[in-house]
Formats: sequence, structure tokens, C-alpha cells
Amino acid sequence: AQKVTQVQTEISVVEKEDVTLDCVYETRDTTYYLFWYKQPPSGELVFLIRRNSFDEQNEISGRYSWNFQKSTSSFNFTITASQVVDSAVYFCALSEAQEGMRFGAGTRLTVKP
Amino acid sequence: KAGVTQTPRYLIKTRGQQVTLSCSPISGHRSVSWYQQTPGQGLQFLFEYFSETQRNKGNFPGRFSGRQFSNSRSEMNVSTLELGDSALYLCASSAIASTSSTDTQYFGPGTRLTVL
Repeated sequence: AQKVTQVQTEISVVEKEDVTLDCVYETRDTTYYLFWYKQPPSGELVFLIRRNSFDEQNEISGRYSWNFQKSTSSFNFTITASQVVDSAVYFCALSEAQEGMRFGAGTRLTVKP
Repeated sequence: KAGVTQTPRYLIKTRGQQVTLSCSPISGHRSVSWYQQTPGQGLQFLFEYFSETQRNKGNFPGRFSGRQFSNSRSEMNVSTLELGDSALYLCASSAIASTSSTDTQYFGPGTRLTVL
């Protein structure tokens, strides 16, 4: 069963638009961690954020913000005022006890000038 | 601090051969995980090592194996290569075992393996 579902496969926006990447996860554990990673064309996965299951506070880091809602098992990522350099594939991932990290299929974001 | 390093960065092999990939974690990190990334299957977990012991294993055939040395460096081996093994192999390190789900994994640049 798919544990992490990234709703959008591809998104294309024009620079300065806001964009939200949706992630829905599935777990029976009460303790788990959620992550977002960015993979630019160079291929290296870049860590963006980690959130544990007990912390539902939303977080903002510059133009990035994350909305974690346990009630809907979602961990969505918003980029405000997108820039061309934001173009990349973004992965949502779930880490549970006794299992390796499970990644979603990724959302390819293209920001056009 | 230096990041996770992987060698080689690119590799071309033929079917039936075997290959060994190497990963050096961030200094002080004791856990190393390996992932396979393909266009069709996405990012899939291969295995995780912590203190020279395999802690977790993904759903891959026995042709895929790994080990970790006392200095936390890790190697991954694929025997009897198949065309479908062509992929980007990513290594990640974390300060403690990811099975505790408390630490972030930091990824290396990957090794792109092509099997002809």
C-alpha cells in the first residue's frame, strides 16, 4: 500500500506566484516523522524540513511554509512568491519506527520567468 | 563539515557483472542508508546500517547487499547485474539510527549506474 501520496505529479507556475504541494500519508504508528526534500537537476536530495507526529505547529522559513494536519494525514508545503531557482522535484517522506524512510513519487515544480 | 560523499559518481557495467558503490557519511554520523531511484519506481529504500549492523532492509532481492565499516563508511554491492538495476543510487547518513525516527537523513550526490 502506498504510504505517501503526493497529489500533484507536475506543477507549472509563473515566477512570483504562490504554489502548494500536497502530501498525504498513511500510518498506524503514533510516533512518526515527516520530511520534505528538494531534488534539483543536479540530483542531490536537499533536506528542507522534519516534523514529528506530536508537533502540529505550522512552520515558516523564509518563502517556505508547511501545514501539518494529523486529522487529515496531510503535510503540505507552500512556496510563496516562487522563483525560477525553486524549480526542482520535491519529495515528501514518512519515517516510522522499524522501517526505512518511505518517499512519495515526487512533484516536479517548474517555475517560469 | 563535509557532506556525504559517494564514489564513483558514474558507472557503466554490463549485464552479469557485479558492482560496488561506496559512501562516506558526514563526520560523526553512525547511520547510513541506501536508496535506489528510478523513473518507474521512484525512490526506494534498500537498507540501513548502524554500527556495522544492518538494521533494516527494503524489498530487494539478495543480489543487493551492503556492509558498514568501523569508521561508518559503507559499501553497497550488486551482483549479477540486470538491465533494470540501472538507477541513481543514493546514500544518506544520520547521526543516529533512523529506526528511532528521530534524526534527519542527509543525502549524498548519488552514483548513477548504467547497465548495458
